[in-house]
This record gives sequence, structure tokens and C-alpha cells, in this order.
Amino acid sequence: QQQVKQSPQSLIVQKGGIPIINCAYENTAFDYFPWYQQFPGKGPALLIAIRPDVSEKKEGRFTISFNKSAKQFSLHIMDSQPGDSATYFCAASDGGAQKLVFGQGTRLTINP
Amino acid sequence: EPEVTQTPSHQVTQMGQEVILRCVPISNHLYFYWYRQILGQKVEFLVSFYNNEISEKSEIFDDQFSVERPDGSNFTLKIRSTKLEDSAMYFCASSPSKGITGELFFGEGSRLTVL
Repeated sequence: QQQVKQSPQSLIVQKGGIPIINCAYENTAFDYFPWYQQFPGKGPALLIAIRPDVSEKKEGRFTISFNKSAKQFSLHIMDSQPGDSATYFCAASDGGAQKLVFGQGTRLTINP
Repeated sequence: EPEVTQTPSHQVTQMGQEVILRCVPISNHLYFYWYRQILGQKVEFLVSFYNNEISEKSEIFDDQFSVERPDGSNFTLKIRSTKLEDSAMYFCASSPSKGITGELFFGEGSRLTVL
């Protein structure tokens, strides 16, 4: 119930392509869904986040799509660049909990 | 830009030894966390800390682990008797918000290697 399942594990896309990373959850109490970006040797950094009262959120080239009925959310990266190559983690939390539950992570490579 | 700082960046220890990992959270933040990431795996919650006490902890955070905020700026994680399986990257995080909102600010991590 506490798990967040993330796919794919790894993804290779050509520059300019649109990588899509998917996450699914079971716990209907989750009400906050952030995405974190992690470069090698660094800590995760918040990229973008969404609450379930909206179905989409855009920040620059990053978009989260949220499907409450399916309990799924996804990250799209428009016009991807080699500098976007990193590991991406989806996560979820509920307002009463003091923790984030992370997905397994997706290692994204953008080829030039 | 304010950041969470962690020391040491890498520590190698023998099994059974005590280890203390240190963190300086962002100064006006109220909530503090430790997470760990075993190599190649997902980030896992260990413990959250607010108002000088543990507010939540995971199953991983057993009696071998403890946290402390000894002086109002540092936040430490102690592992009393390390095991091989404690080898991981340990991330400290802090948040300004009451309750989790996902807006965690992570440090760069302390890599612990237990031999």
C-alpha cells in the first residue's frame, strides 16, 4: 500500500525527444506527488510537484500529468537535452505523514 | 542559496563500529529527515524529527540508530554497531513546512562503507 511503482528503470532518448516516466500508487491517502532529479554524487533535488486537484502541471520543459482515477502520474520532458541526463525519482506523501515514499528511479540518458 | 550540508562525504568503517553522520540543515527549517539509498536502489525514509523529538520512523530505523540535534544547528545520525548492510548513501534533508509537502531540500549525502 505504501509503494510507488516507477517505470521504466532506464530510458535512452535522442536530444529533442520527449522522455516519459510513469509512476503508479495504491494509497489513496497520498495527496502530494513530487518528482526529484538526481545527478551522480548529488542529493535528490525537487524538480516539480503536483497535488491531485489538478490533472497537469507545467514548469518550463517539465510537465506532470496526473490521473487520479487510475492512480498514476507521469513526467514528460519536452525538447530534452543532454544536460537532462540524470536519475529521476517520483515520490508520494500524505499530508499527515512525515515522509516521502520514493519510486525505484529511472536512469535517463539523452544522447546528443 | 541556502543548502543542507553533510559531513563526512565518505566514511569507511569496520563492522561493529559506531558511526556518526552530521548534517547542518537550512537555518530556518523546522523539520529534519534522514533517508538512505543503497547503491542503485531507491531512496528510503529512515526518520523525521521535529521539535527535538522523532515524529516518525521506518522499520529500518531500529535500536541501532539514533538521531540528535545537540546544539540547535547540527542534526546527527548515529549508528551504534554498524553492519555490512548499513553500507549506503545517507541523505539528510530539511523542510520549512509544517507537515510533509514534498518540499524537501537534500544534502549531497554521506557515503558509508562498512567492511
